[in-house]
Amino acid sequence: AQRVTQPEKLLSVFKGAPVELKCNYSYSGSPELFWYVQYSRQRLQLLLRHISRESIKGFTADLNKGETSFHLKKPFAQEEDSAMYYCALRGLWGANNLFFGTGTRLTVIP
Amino acid sequence: DTGVSQDPRHKITKRGQNVTFRCDPISEHNRLYWYRQTLGQGPEFLTYFQNEAQLEKSRLLSDRFSAERPKGSFSTLEIQRTEQGDSAMYLCASSPGQGAYEQYFGPGTRLTVT
Repeated sequence: AQRVTQPEKLLSVFKGAPVELKCNYSYSGSPELFWYVQYSRQRLQLLLRHISRESIKGFTADLNKGETSFHLKKPFAQEEDSAMYYCALRGLWGANNLFFGTGTRLTVIP
Repeated sequence: DTGVSQDPRHKITKRGQNVTFRCDPISEHNRLYWYRQTLGQGPEFLTYFQNEAQLEKSRLLSDRFSAERPKGSFSTLEIQRTEQGDSAMYLCASSPGQGAYEQYFGPGTRLTVT
C-alpha cells in the first residue's frame, strides 16, 4: 500500500541552524515524491519535486530508495521558513492523486 | 486573482442536511481534484476530473458524496445527509494537461456539521 510518514508533527530550530524534515514512504514501484508547503494564511503550494533535483528557497530533498526516504533539508533556517510542510507521493502508475503525509509544522526561532 | 477559487469559504450545517461546494479552477486547466483534510492530517484524495470526465474516485467517497464537472470548467461537490464526521476542510486543486505535475490548490471550504 502507498503510505507517506512524517514522524515529527512539530519541529523548532533557531534561525541560522540546519533543518531537516523527515519523510518516509512505502510504494511498490518507482515513486514520484513532492514537498508541499503552507505558509500562514496562504494556500498549499508546491515547494519541490524529486525529479527536478532543484534547490528552492535553499531547500533540497534527495530521494533515497534504499531507505525509502525523501527528507527535506536546508543548511541555514530563516524565519520566513516557518510553515507547515507536507510530503506527498504520487499514486501508482502515474495516477493523478497525491498521498500526503500528516505534515510537520516548522517554527524557526529568531 | 487567477488562482483556484472555492465557494463558500465556510459552511455550518446541521446533521442530515445537504451541502454543495463549488470550485473554479485556473482557466484552461483541464484537470481538477478534490481533497479532504481533517484536523491534524494531510489532505486525502477524494476524486479527479479530466475535463468533464470523472476518472478516479477514492474509497473515501461514499455514496453520500457526488462530484460533477459538467462543462469541464467549474466543479461541484455535494454531500447528502451530512454527518458530524464530514466536518473537514475540502480542498480543490487544478493542473494543466498531460505531463504537468504541479497541483494548484484553492483556499478550501471549511465545513462544520453540528
